Amino acid sequence: DGGITQSPKYLFRKEGQNVTLSCEQNLNHDAMYWYRQDPGQGLRLIYYSQIVNDFQKGDIAEGYSVSREKKESFPLTVTSAQKNPTAFYLCASSIGQFGNTEAFFGQGTRLTVV
Amino acid sequence: RKEVEQDPGPFNVPEGATVAFNCTYSNSASQSFFWYRQDCRKEPKLLMSVYSSGNEDGRFTAQLNRASQYISLLIRDSKLSDSATYLCVVICKNQGGKLIFGQGTELSVKP
Repeated sequence: DGGITQSPKYLFRKEGQNVTLSCEQNLNHDAMYWYRQDPGQGLRLIYYSQIVNDFQKGDIAEGYSVSREKKESFPLTVTSAQKNPTAFYLCASSIGQFGNTEAFFGQGTRLTVV
Repeated sequence: RKEVEQDPGPFNVPEGATVAFNCTYSNSASQSFFWYRQDCRKEPKLLMSVYSSGNEDGRFTAQLNRASQYISLLIRDSKLSDSATYLCVVICKNQGGKLIFGQGTELSVKP
């Protein structure tokens, strides 16, 4: 089945450690996105990529990094510079800017700093 | 001013009620609009796209008013299962096609 997969579903990290969240899609979508959601809050854009080997900062990129070496994959690294990383992280993909179509989401990763 | 704004609610309504949500957007270059539904601790899922002429899907009706820069979602005959957070999403062509979310409106349908 086509879809977008995030892993792991739950992740625990010690303070000061970097951690990488995986996002893979087999929908042949050009655009991919990372959002962060805090309890009772909306989605805030971290990074997005409209094409392979290119990505742009969103509204809250500080303390995060991404890569887009393959069309199918858009991993997010939460670095030790991110002061409050505990949150629900959502990855999404869409056809891209020329399609202006809806986005499909993965099931999310809950990151907890212990 | 936020790019996309929604009334956060919560909206508490009895079963069978009609409820309407509004969402305003600030960028006049916005060109695509959607409503998503998010259940507690789950990912958002597409509820419906919003077309210029308005569109209906069963009990749900979405409308777009470009002049006033808002979209709306009407839910008729509310069911308990409609309880969720409803997210308004806008795509702006002059911002590289990125999806911009409102903060969501929480709906609670009571028996």
